[in-house]
Parts: sequence; structure tokens; C-alpha cells
Amino acid sequence: EVQLVESGGGLVQPGGSLRLSCVASGFTLSNYWMHWVRQAPGKGLEWVSHINSAGSTTNYANSVKGRFTIARDTAKNTLYLQMNSLRVEDTAVYYCAKGGITGLGCWGQGTLVTVSS
Amino acid sequence: DIVMTQSPDSLAVSLGERATINCKSSQSVLSSSNNKNSLAWYQQKPGQSPKLLIYWASTRESGVPDRFSGSGSGTDFTLTISSLQAEDVAVYYCQQYYSSPDTFGQGTKLEIK
Repeated sequence: EVQLVESGGGLVQPGGSLRLSCVASGFTLSNYWMHWVRQAPGKGLEWVSHINSAGSTTNYANSVKGRFTIARDTAKNTLYLQMNSLRVEDTAVYYCAKGGITGLGCWGQGTLVTVSS
Repeated sequence: DIVMTQSPDSLAVSLGERATINCKSSQSVLSSSNNKNSLAWYQQKPGQSPKLLIYWASTRESGVPDRFSGSGSGTDFTLTISSLQAEDVAVYYCQQYYSSPDTFGQGTKLEIK
């Protein structure tokens, strides 16, 4: 069964850092484009970042560029999102998703990040 | 960035009736290389993660009931639920994956009348 499980969320102060993890099972993460998408409380979906299947290309939303870094560990079949200089407006549920030319076909259950003093 | 705009923001439909949600992109998402529209629809039920319903604008994901259909090309797209069921209450999002950054519509909340 294809599954994604996120972890690493929590409460952090403004300016702080957090690293999210997403463990993939049932498929090889490095064969797919992988994405992070977030959803602020009561709001819609916002695409955050993706990494291509080769691991050679990454892209970021303007709102997180220069602060967030997407990465993966192929040996652990795990996707990461390193979040630095966190802001109150980064508060959201963060989902990892398996992507491709047919959209985001598998999503994790999400992990909540709360940025507050 | 490509801006995706959905209409309406919310919709109430009677059980068994048709529900129609529209999505407009600020520029075409039709790829000249494969003549396919890079447009997907997602369903998010309360407390759940989003679920892919439709990709390439009109191709149903495996396991999605055939009452869900997608249509449109270029910049204008539609998600239609032919006969609304109680379990279809959700927020629906369109997404373009034609160019980075991928962008979502603001969502349409579908309720039972």
C-alpha cells in the first residue's frame, strides 16, 4: 500500500526552525516528484515546494523562498522540509504529496506547525 | 504565477441533483507537447487530507465514482457531480501543474440543500 507519514510538527517561536519528515512506503520516493503543500487553519491549500525525481531541481513558493529547503534521503525513502526563520503566517498543517504528470495522487495525513510566541 | 479562480465559493445542492464547480486559470494550461491540460481536481472532506479526483482535466483517478467528471480546456474548466450523494459534502480544489509554482484555486465548499 502506498503511504506517506509526516512528522516533526509542533509549536515554535517566531524566528525559530523546524524540520519536517515524510516517510514513504509502498513506492520508491526517488522515482517521483515530491511536494510539500500547506493549509493554514480554516484556509485553502497552498503549494510550498517540490523536488524532482532526479533530486536535481527544487522549487519554492515565493512566500518561503530563502527560508525553507526541501531535501530527501533515498536510503531512508524520506522527504524533508527544513524550515528556518519561521513566521506566524507559516502556521499550518503541512502535507507531503507524491506527484507527477497526473497531479498529486497520494497525500500524507499532515503535521501541524504552530508559530507563536 | 498562474492564478486559479474558482466559482462559486460555496454551493448548496439537493441530494440527487447536479453540482457544477468552475475553475479559471489566468493563462492556458494546455501543453502543446501532448495536447493535454495540466489541471487536477481534489476533494477534501472535513478533517481529512485532500484526495485526487481528476487529472488531465478530465481523467478520473482510479476508484473515483463515475458521477464525478471533469471538462474544459485552455483556461476554463468544470467539475461536475451528476447526482449528489451525502458523502460528497467537501471542499473541492482545482490545481494547475503546467508551470511552477503549482497553484490551487481558493476552494469551493459543497453542502447539501
